[in-house]
Amino acid sequence: AQSVTQPDIHITVSEGASLELRCNYSYGATPYLFWYVQSPGQGLQLLLKYFSGDTLVQGIKGFEAEFKRSQSSFNLRKPSVHWSDAAEYFCAVGAGGGGNQFYFGTGTSLTVIP
Amino acid sequence: NAGVTQTPKFQVLKTGQSMTLQCAQDMNHEYMSWYRQDPGMGLRLIHYSVGAGITDQGEVPNGYNVSRSTTEDFPLRLLSAAPSQTSVYFCASSSRDVNGYTFGSGTRLTVV
Repeated sequence: AQSVTQPDIHITVSEGASLELRCNYSYGATPYLFWYVQSPGQGLQLLLKYFSGDTLVQGIKGFEAEFKRSQSSFNLRKPSVHWSDAAEYFCAVGAGGGGNQFYFGTGTSLTVIP
Repeated sequence: NAGVTQTPKFQVLKTGQSMTLQCAQDMNHEYMSWYRQDPGMGLRLIHYSVGAGITDQGEVPNGYNVSRSTTEDFPLRLLSAAPSQTSVYFCASSSRDVNGYTFGSGTRLTVV
């Protein structure tokens, strides 16, 4: 069965520092992979997605993620964090025949300190 | 603005009451889904639809019904609300190209 694991429940980084959020997935076929961000009281916004091809994908707000099939991972990175990046981040795998069934990780809460 | 519209934004129900959470999208998306979000559990798929007239169960379907009579609308029905259904509910839609789901702003439901 498909599943997504985000091992870090909460991460604190200083503004300007680099960031890496971990995501591991379990899925039998080639996965569709996504990262979403959720600000307090808001819905989810798509940061980036991976379907195939180049394993390093660029997203909005300066985020990138790297797909590593051998490690079943899809970690999210940002070189320099801004205070506005404080939010909840969710990794998701798209399963099913058309990749239309999304399964989410439990999320990582990011705190940015000045 | 184009997107996914959920109503109501907040709702308090008594145990045993029924209600329908509304979801509408104006992007002509084929796929629509309902999720519930609970602390420490992320988002869990309740029901999904790949087109008008077609629905299927997700991870946590018990206590919820859906229908998809039009492409635009995908209502979620609670027939007999229970305190365990206290949650934030999100509706989302996606095109067939699987470009990622667009989410509504959510409905915060409290069952007392």
